[in-house]
Amino acid sequence: QSALTQPASVSGSPGQSITISCTGTSTDVGGYNYVSWYQQHPGKAPKLMIYDVTYRPSGVSDRFSGSKSGTTASLTISGLQAEDEADYYCGSYTSSNTYVFGTGTKVTVV
Amino acid sequence: QVQLVESGGGVVQPGRSLRLSCAASGFTFSNYAISWVRQAPGKGLEWVSAISYDGTKKYYADAVKGRFTISRDDPRNTLYLQMNSLRAEDTAVYYCARDLRVDFWSDPIIHYGVDVWGQGTTITVSS
Repeated sequence: QSALTQPASVSGSPGQSITISCTGTSTDVGGYNYVSWYQQHPGKAPKLMIYDVTYRPSGVSDRFSGSKSGTTASLTISGLQAEDEADYYCGSYTSSNTYVFGTGTKVTVV
Repeated sequence: QVQLVESGGGVVQPGRSLRLSCAASGFTFSNYAISWVRQAPGKGLEWVSAISYDGTKKYYADAVKGRFTISRDDPRNTLYLQMNSLRAEDTAVYYCARDLRVDFWSDPIIHYGVDVWGQGTTITVSS
């Protein structure tokens, strides 16, 4: 199972909005609404930010939103803040009854 | 509070074995599927294995199939990963992670994603 494809890096200024894409296939992202997004700060465990494509866990800022079109899922961070600087990974259930993560995107707040 | 704590990491020679443990607390462990996820130094997340809430269904990534075995001991609230024939490419931080929802009905189980992560334990495979 190949990793889902994400851009290596995305940057934005404080207050701006950025979008991270996550491209898979019909056997993972395109086939199921079980796409999640995780935030990971250096040296820390990942944190769930979005699940089931669009849902936010309790306690996650509403500045984070998710969507999906075909085989590409997206995470949008609006009102970018310094604390949002981190690595972000998407993940999806697959038709092989496994789970696959994306390649990861480093978000920089410039 | 809901918590997962991994242990058992260390330095091991190629070809040897190691067993990781993951102790759960703060939730009904026996209700949840649990996964192992690893992260090689400077690399991204890689799903390794998952086990159903009742331990009857086990799933593995191709990279570890036939070498790693996942198991659980519900009375002890503990998850295990038996790692055999270790290779240099198995060097990573290993996280255990709880599935984000209870699902007693799906067969095979659906990996919805994970919402609770341990702090990780580091495995270094080197001679």
